[in-house]
Amino acid sequence: GAGVSQSPSNKVTEKGKDVELRCDPISGHTALYWYRQSLGQGLEFLIYFQGNSAPDKSGLPSDRFSAERTGGSVSTLTIQRTQQEDSAVYLCASSLQSGLPYFGPGTRLLVL
Amino acid sequence: EDQVTQSPEALRLQEGESSSLNCSYTVSGLRGLFWYRQDPGKGPEFLFTLYSAGEEKEKERLKATLTKKESFLHITAPKPEDSATYLCAVQAGGTSYGKLTFGQGTILTVHP
Repeated sequence: GAGVSQSPSNKVTEKGKDVELRCDPISGHTALYWYRQSLGQGLEFLIYFQGNSAPDKSGLPSDRFSAERTGGSVSTLTIQRTQQEDSAVYLCASSLQSGLPYFGPGTRLLVL
Repeated sequence: EDQVTQSPEALRLQEGESSSLNCSYTVSGLRGLFWYRQDPGKGPEFLFTLYSAGEEKEKERLKATLTKKESFLHITAPKPEDSATYLCAVQAGGTSYGKLTFGQGTILTVHP
């Protein structure tokens, strides 16, 4: 595809449920990132994958958050036992090894 | 800890009224400073990367400059279509390339 794609575009869930958010990076991009944008807040780094290296998970806010990247391409961000404070826009970006990050449109998550 | 502060939080301009947005930063060894534009409901769109003090880049009505402590995004004769949130982010040396620290953004509204 031409750009980073994310699904679903919008997700409404109930408190305590698990959710999975998907990211398809730009073809050929070896690096993939997840960020979170809460209402009125700046983008907050969550996790970074680069090739076969161990991911940088230093931004994950709690052990309820996890992410994986299969086959060096598609990534899934999983939030377990969702809380209302998890409501935010989750943005994925990809880049060449040390290049400019290109962002997807985001998944808007609302936890009721 | 790396920090980015953008001002003003919101800026309202008349079409053709030039102005500047500010991004102040503290970072351990600047690897790069990024400007992004974000339209409502969309992911950030790349505008510029600046790497060293004194560097300037231009694109249409936008010009970005960088000093050792801050960056400015100058908007010359803005049009209503320039209305968006403008985000500034820094990439620190010694961290993974994917870890950007963002400011909270400046919401720009240009009235016809």
